[in-house]
Amino acid sequence: DTAVSQTPKYLVTQMGNDKSIKCEQNLGHDTMYWYKQDSKKFLKIMFSYNNKELIINETVPNRFSPKSPDKAHLNLHINSLELGDSAVYFCASSQDFSLEETQYFGPGTRLLVL
Amino acid sequence: AQSVTQPDIHITVSEGASLELRCNYSYGATPYLFWYVQSPGQGLQLLLKYFSGDTLVQGIKGFEAEFKRSQSSFNLRKPSVHWSDAAEYFCAVGAKAAGNKLTFGGGTRVLVKP
Repeated sequence: DTAVSQTPKYLVTQMGNDKSIKCEQNLGHDTMYWYKQDSKKFLKIMFSYNNKELIINETVPNRFSPKSPDKAHLNLHINSLELGDSAVYFCASSQDFSLEETQYFGPGTRLLVL
Repeated sequence: AQSVTQPDIHITVSEGASLELRCNYSYGATPYLFWYVQSPGQGLQLLLKYFSGDTLVQGIKGFEAEFKRSQSSFNLRKPSVHWSDAAEYFCAVGAKAAGNKLTFGGGTRVLVKP
């Protein structure tokens, strides 16, 4: 009964490929997030959805496209993968889009672009 | 813009000894402050958070943190470290005026010696 789950856990692919990462939360939360953690462990927000609407869209290349088919899912599609996309991508969710609410993180997806 | 600095990249502590992790933030008003822990290969877990009120905050796993406005600091402490506390610790700051986004520090890796 994992709260926030991500698939796949590991992803190794070639430059130029297109790949997707899936995230699901079973907490009944309204808000979901994507974070990127680089090789130096810096964690940075990429996107946030609240009730399936995009509310945070940081300076991210438009090769990255989030999609939220419903409140429980937030997927991340990446086109034309580049070496610099190698990182750990974390999905998170919170009850709503307020700082008082705890963000619950998934286990991460380790993406390696060769 | 808000920012967070964790001056110590690595800290090694003996089991049973006390631990203090430093966090300094930069933001004009009183921010929302958080400490997260990331065990190897895992997602982030919230240890504690501060919004307002008592500046000494108690969290899970025996951790506490103290908000000091005059020093723009939010240091994390534990009186007696257990081997299971070996992990990466992240301080984060958020503010409603900054769009409710969390900004994370670079992390401090804690190693516990037997």
